[in-house]
Amino acid sequence: DVKVTQSSRYLVKRTGEKVFLECVQDMDHENMFWYRQDPGLGLRLIYFSYDVKMKEKGDIPEGYSVSREKKERFSLILESASTNQTSMYLCASSPPPGVSNQPQHFGDGTRLSIL
Amino acid sequence: GNSVTQMEGPVTLSEEAFLTINCTYTATGYPSLFWYVQYPGEGLQLLLKATKADDKGSNKGFEATYRKETTSFHLEKGSVQVSDSAVYFCALSTSSASKIIFGSGTRLSIRP
Repeated sequence: DVKVTQSSRYLVKRTGEKVFLECVQDMDHENMFWYRQDPGLGLRLIYFSYDVKMKEKGDIPEGYSVSREKKERFSLILESASTNQTSMYLCASSPPPGVSNQPQHFGDGTRLSIL
Repeated sequence: GNSVTQMEGPVTLSEEAFLTINCTYTATGYPSLFWYVQYPGEGLQLLLKATKADDKGSNKGFEATYRKETTSFHLEKGSVQVSDSAVYFCALSTSSASKIIFGSGTRLSIRP
């Protein structure tokens, strides 16, 4: 089974801090994704990466950056955390699209609180 | 553009009731369709999928049939259990893109 591991289940940080959320997958997937999930808003894509050192903005990239130095690891960075970034963050991975579209596999999420 | 619309929740049912959660989509080309489930405090898990018209995906007693003529992928289960309480997401992807488009999610609560 695909395993996507997020480094923390719960995280509390202060306004203005630089925050790193880490995600590791063990299936050699090319694609990795970061979402945030908020009540009533569903899942919103922040950034995704389709290869090492490659990244593309999703629907809500403002206030975030990402890093993909190795294929298995995709980091989400909050450059200067703000209270409106309090949310559940979900990481996912998938193979590239092909003949049989592959689903994304998700980690358990990191519930981040910014005080 | 591509989009997914699913029925709003919350949906509350008694144990052993029949479940339907409606999902319709708009897409160019021939998307693959998915249902994901999110149990409390966890990430999303793939529940079932269908990759072409008239395919039926099934898992854990849940079923959904890819209906191209009505652009729908409704989730059904004949007899729900308390353990089915979760949030359910309908989603689609196309062969030309890596991104998946998610619906807004439907919260399901089952009473004993």
